[in-house]
Amino acid sequence: DTGVSQNPRHKITKRGQNVTFRCDPISEHNRLYWYRQTLGQGPEFLTYFQNEAQLEKSRLLSDRFSAERPKGSFSTLEIQRTEQGDSAMYLCASSSGRPTQYFGPGTRLLVL
Amino acid sequence: GQNIDQPTEMTATEGAIVQINCTYQTSGFNGLFWYQQHAGEAPTFLSYNVLDGLEEKGRFSSFLSRSKGYSYLLLKELQMKDSASYLCAVLDSNYQLIWGAGTKLIIKP
Repeated sequence: DTGVSQNPRHKITKRGQNVTFRCDPISEHNRLYWYRQTLGQGPEFLTYFQNEAQLEKSRLLSDRFSAERPKGSFSTLEIQRTEQGDSAMYLCASSSGRPTQYFGPGTRLLVL
Repeated sequence: GQNIDQPTEMTATEGAIVQINCTYQTSGFNGLFWYQQHAGEAPTFLSYNVLDGLEEKGRFSSFLSRSKGYSYLLLKELQMKDSASYLCAVLDSNYQLIWGAGTKLIIKP
């Protein structure tokens, strides 16, 4: 059990560019979650996978955001045409059949 | 709507005890979590309560009253490393986590 890992840890990009983040969950965890967190707030749910199926997506998520988990293991989150308002910490979490979610270290995105 | 309320900031002294409260109104309830988050880091799991009562784990304890929509996290023998934000989150009827904004705990020597 090596824990949830995320790459990159930090990303600085210019407005309008596309970015992609990767999350590797705890092995054998079939559920994977993406959240976004801004300073002084709790995490905001973005989307959720059970194995390779994307079961839920936040209504707040614009169509510039897309996530995949093609083989039911790692997942990627892509943001197209980034905006300054996308600057945040992007957190990935995984869980088995139990309720507790375990978080990765996050990817901090800064859009200039 | 769904709502989780917790104080924005609290200050306590090293070696003392502090209680962080959380009240919630959610669509359904499948348990309440407390997570600790140091600045710039990811949340780390502290406790999960699904039944009423007190759960003790070392220096940390968590209490739940479902009828009152209320929980607290109790930290004893405070250490400087306990300075962090403490996040309360409820698992709703869709098994989605609804998060509070967190309580920033400042420990003074």
